[in-house]
Amino acid sequence: GEDVEQSLFLSVREGDSSVINCTYTDSSSTYLYWYKQEPGAGLQLLTYIFSNMDMKQDQRLTVLLNKKDKHLSLRIADTQTGDSAIYFCAGSGGSYIPTFGRGTSLIVHP
Amino acid sequence: EAGVVQSPRYKIIEKKQPVAFWCNPISGHNTLYWYLQNLGQGPELLIRYENEEAVDDSQLPKDRFSAERLKGVDSTLKIQPAELGDSAVYLCASSRGQGADTGELFFGEGSRLTVL
Repeated sequence: GEDVEQSLFLSVREGDSSVINCTYTDSSSTYLYWYKQEPGAGLQLLTYIFSNMDMKQDQRLTVLLNKKDKHLSLRIADTQTGDSAIYFCAGSGGSYIPTFGRGTSLIVHP
Repeated sequence: EAGVVQSPRYKIIEKKQPVAFWCNPISGHNTLYWYLQNLGQGPELLIRYENEEAVDDSQLPKDRFSAERLKGVDSTLKIQPAELGDSAVYLCASSRGQGADTGELFFGEGSRLTVL
């Protein structure tokens, strides 16, 4: 099955860019996802990338996919205090069922 | 469109007591998931339903956990008897169905269980 690894914490200053990294193992993952979880809430899909793409940009979010190294990253431009949350990387595997990493806690300082 | 609804949001019980969680998925979503989220961890799949059929329950501890999805809509997850290690957040999610569009999951807010 899929195994997803990501760093646990990231601290940035408001206005800076944040980059959250993730590695996965299952090369058959058709989709790779970034979910966001705010305190006391469930997860919400932030963005995703199809496995035949290298990059996807969506407003302040940029997703980069390196299939050779099985590496996924999420860049948040102009990070705001409202972006403080836990960000989960997930791979769909071959069955469209997401397997989640442990999550990266993003802390944004004013 | 109403989101995934879960209840109760919080539950505190003593060990060895039973507990049940309820989930109402988004209307029209055929696939329903129960995930377990321990503190500081990502969600781990417990069971997945396609309509009323449990198609993946390999991670469900069947000695004390049970789930049902009668009529292929609402679902209930039960633990009997609860143990201290069951303290966690139980997340319900739904999706349109395997292979449908991007496979996005829609999550409820979760049910936080504390076992004393």
